[in-house]
Amino acid sequence: DTGVSQDPRHKITKRGQNVTFRCDPISEHNRLYWYRQTLGQGPEFLTYFQNEAQLEKSRLLSDRFSAERPKGSFSTLEIQRTEQGDSAMYLCASSPSGTRVFFGPGTRLTVL
Amino acid sequence: AQSVTQLGSHVSVSEGALVLLRCNYSSSVPPYLFWYVQYPNQGLQLLLKYTSAATLVKGINGFEAEFKKSETSFHLTKPSAHMSDAAEYFCAVRLKGTARQLTFGSGTQLTVLP
Repeated sequence: DTGVSQDPRHKITKRGQNVTFRCDPISEHNRLYWYRQTLGQGPEFLTYFQNEAQLEKSRLLSDRFSAERPKGSFSTLEIQRTEQGDSAMYLCASSPSGTRVFFGPGTRLTVL
Repeated sequence: AQSVTQLGSHVSVSEGALVLLRCNYSSSVPPYLFWYVQYPNQGLQLLLKYTSAATLVKGINGFEAEFKKSETSFHLTKPSAHMSDAAEYFCAVRLKGTARQLTFGSGTQLTVLP
């Protein structure tokens, strides 16, 4: 069990650029979640996949954000035309059926 | 809708003293409740969870929490703080019977003084 991994761990970009983050969940976990965490706050839910189906999206997920989970394995989160307000830690989590959720180390995005 | 309130964004205790981190929830139906810990530059680690079995839940690292329905609370305690307990702690809630997302509180930064 290698845990949830995320890549990159840190990303610095200029405003207006597009960025893409990857999450590899724990093998055979069919549920995958994306959260965003800003400084001094708890994580906020962005979106949820069960296998390859995106079942829920937060209102926080504007049109500039898109997430995919092809084949129900890894997932990507893309942010288009980044804004300074997008600067945050982006957390991925996975879960088997049940209540326990495992979090990855996060990708820290800084938009200059 | 569900929400979580953590009272006290910063708590300081002396090493060896009691740790008490407060969490109150709001939910239309009885929820699942969780405490997570986050160390600097690391992901969230589950400390303990309440899923409607015993109301006193024991977790890792000597932490425990008691679910009190009448007070809508799920406070986290540890009898004796260690320096290694210094971290940020998050309370979270999730509706029972769903795979829906966790809703987190804003966190409490615990400082342990020597």
